[in-house]
Amino acid sequence: GAVVSQHPSRVICKSGTSVKIECRSLDFQATTMFWYRQFPKQSLMLMATSNEGSKATYEQGVEKDKFLINHASLTLSTLTVTSAHPEDSSFYICSASPDISGNTIYFGEGSWLTVV
Amino acid sequence: AQKVTQAQTEISVVEKEDVTLDCVYETRDTTYYLFWYKQPPSGELVFLIRRNSFDEQNEISGRYSWNFQKSTSSFNFTITASQVVDSAVYFCALSEAQAVDSNYQLIWGAGTKLIIKP
Repeated sequence: GAVVSQHPSRVICKSGTSVKIECRSLDFQATTMFWYRQFPKQSLMLMATSNEGSKATYEQGVEKDKFLINHASLTLSTLTVTSAHPEDSSFYICSASPDISGNTIYFGEGSWLTVV
Repeated sequence: AQKVTQAQTEISVVEKEDVTLDCVYETRDTTYYLFWYKQPPSGELVFLIRRNSFDEQNEISGRYSWNFQKSTSSFNFTITASQVVDSAVYFCALSEAQAVDSNYQLIWGAGTKLIIKP
């Protein structure tokens, strides 16, 4: 079946550095992917909608210059956390759908980011 | 406005007990989709069910069952004969039907942490 893969699953980076998280749809093309962030013991918060070939659409309160999203192909979206700070430590998860209606939504395994 | 409410923050039961997780939603659309996801401690989201607004039939899948009541805007999830492996956070989510060329989004409930004690 369709699978969405995220990499890395866990990453530790130093404060001030940048880290890139990849989200790949393995056997389907996705014109749209979504990036979520989850704080401990909280629900998922939509950060942005990643659109293939165009700029991402960010949710209110999400800094687009800090969370860079690139959707360069129909199977890959990347989230780059720039100049990371400890407060950026979180669980990041992406989702994608093989159909435009979004009736079938697949999630990546998630990426645990720890900024030290 | 769309909203999903999972009023139960945490539920703790003893193994083999039945447990129901509540989900109440708000939407102005007549066509929408409801989802349940399981999130074990490892973090990944496990899809459990999707139900469209026109299908009010209750569904049973093994020990899992779902009760969709449009009259009360609820989509409750019941686990019968709970097991320790059912321990996880469960999320209810809503997706409103969009135009064909529009983006879809999920509106998430806060989640219910389910603890099954041996």
